[in-house]
Parts: sequence; structure tokens; C-alpha cells
Amino acid sequence: EAGVTQSPTHLIKTRGQQATLRCSPISGHTSVYWYQQALGLGLQFLLWYDEGEERNRGNFPPRFSGRQFPNYSSELNVNALELEDSALYLCASSQKQGYGYTFGSGTRLTVV
Amino acid sequence: AQSVTQPDIHITVSEGASLELRCNYSYGATPYLFWYVQSPGQGLQLLLKYFSGDTLVQGIKGFEAEFKRSQSSFNLRKPSVHWSDAAEYFCAVMGKEAAGNKLTFGGGTRVLVKP
Repeated sequence: EAGVTQSPTHLIKTRGQQATLRCSPISGHTSVYWYQQALGLGLQFLLWYDEGEERNRGNFPPRFSGRQFPNYSSELNVNALELEDSALYLCASSQKQGYGYTFGSGTRLTVV
Repeated sequence: AQSVTQPDIHITVSEGASLELRCNYSYGATPYLFWYVQSPGQGLQLLLKYFSGDTLVQGIKGFEAEFKRSQSSFNLRKPSVHWSDAAEYFCAVMGKEAAGNKLTFGGGTRVLVKP
């Protein structure tokens, strides 16, 4: 069974640009979650999508947005990039509540 | 709101020695509880989870965890560590209500293994 796949593995952007990160969940998983892991800040919840709808959102500004497609894959968009957006962005999927997440290997975003 | 505290930021242990990582949570009822491990530059791998029932949970890689309701704790243990256990370990909690499908993580404990 293929795991959660994220692309790209690494992304370098200039301040002010936009970044798009992609995630494909495990087959049969309908929920996708996005987390930011910035140095010294731990794992911060960003977004939760289920059945194509945004279900929950963390304490992040509106320039962090995303969507979930009919095939349950998801993308995270970060507009007007700031230096502090540099982090490892982790995507996870789950089948239903309480089953725990399966994480991808992440996208390392560097803003210069 | 749910929260998780991992009191130890770093732990150094000798190879072959036992390991215990502490985790305390704050939640109105008994939540779902998880331990994840992250190797450098990698994503998180689920070690074990507690939903209900037997309070001693067995996981992968020889790890186990014990849920203690009275102490709001879910400590992770391994009887004998291997050099490959050097990694960062995260405890996490998830609420059981319908809208509570969000994992809240502790700050993590970095484990160093001495030869």
C-alpha cells in the first residue's frame, strides 16, 4: 500500500512569492491534515480537510489556504511568503476519527 | 482546549539501557492518545495508540506505553534501546467529539543514544 506522498520534497521561494505544496493520501483515506513544523515552534496544526470540505483551521493567517480535490488529494497554498514561513510542512491522512494519522515525509519550504 | 506536555526536551541514554519518555495531557475526558517518532528530516511514524481498554499498550519497535488516568499521563517505555532509536519522539492527543479530529502534539523529546 502506498503511503502518503508529498511533493515537492524541497522548495525554495523568495519572500513575497506564492508556494504550492501537494499531498496524496493513502487510498481509502478521506481526511487530509496539514501541519507546520518550524524550528523551535513544534508541530502546529494548519488545516483539516474531509470529503472536500475544510473542517478545521489552526491559528494561521488567511494567506495560508488550501483545498481538497474529489480524489481526496490536497494542496496547500501559502501566499505572500515571509521568511518565518520557512519550515517542514507535513501532510497526513486518516480513514476516520481516532484512527491516528499516517504522515508523509514532508515538504521543506525555504523562504529567502 | 486540549494540550500535551513533554517535560524532557532531551534525553541521553546508553545503548542497551531502558528508556522512559514522559507525557502529560490536559483534556476534559479521556482522549485518544498517540506516540509518534521522527527521524531527522523525515515525517512522523506512529509507534502506538490508546483508545480504550487495557491501559498498557504495545507498539512497534519494542515500545510500550501506559495510560494512567489519575495522573493524566501516557509515558512511553522501551526496555533496551538500540542506536537506531535515536530520534525525536512526540506524544499527541485527539479529542473524541465529532469536531475533535485534530491531533495536538507535545513539544517533543529528542533521544540521543550513547554507544
